Amino acid sequence: DAKTTQPPSMDCAEGRAANLPCNHSTISGNEYVYWYRQIHSQGPQYIIHGLKNNETNEMASLIITEDRKSSTLILPHATLRDTAVYYCIAPGGNMLTFGGGTRLMVKP
Amino acid sequence: GAVVSQHPSWVICKSGTSVKIECRSLDFQATTMFWYRQFPKQSLMLMATSNEGSKATYEQGVEKDKFLINHASLTLSTLTVTSAHPEDSSFYICSASPPGAIYEQYFGPGTRLTVT
Repeated sequence: DAKTTQPPSMDCAEGRAANLPCNHSTISGNEYVYWYRQIHSQGPQYIIHGLKNNETNEMASLIITEDRKSSTLILPHATLRDTAVYYCIAPGGNMLTFGGGTRLMVKP
Repeated sequence: GAVVSQHPSWVICKSGTSVKIECRSLDFQATTMFWYRQFPKQSLMLMATSNEGSKATYEQGVEKDKFLINHASLTLSTLTVTSAHPEDSSFYICSASPPGAIYEQYFGPGTRLTVT
């Protein structure tokens, strides 16, 4: 797996966009970037993944830089229920390796 | 979306006893399931990869004789914690991938094990 680096914590105001960065400077050309989140005391939830094009689904958008060394997960209108730990993963083998993630706190 | 269930959601057992945790993929077949463990305020740690019809692959440092994994069908994997000790108390989470999408894992809700 390519090493990923995320800030340990972030705050976001309810209703505003939450932009969660991830650095993956050692990512190889065929490694995807995956994002998961874990709400307290629950199993992780798959959010989105991408290779080099920007991706959007009903949960979030994923912006990957042209050099693929970093990406940003965007929650366009954060709600209190989006408070969770967000994990950015670039799996290279046949498994997911969870790092420390970013603890996002959405505040009223 | 794909749904994975776990049973039980929580269990308390006495030291020395064994506990079985079930993981089921409800609406898809999973040739591969994964078992993770998570201690308080820590990230998920992969314990083993469970393959239907074959032996599980354990991560370094995970005792295969203590954490028995059986993947008897395409929708069910079980983890048995044998001779449990208080240090085995943790949050155990399974995941499964639809065929051909190994990184798009769907996680169960987790099982909180407390060994007294």
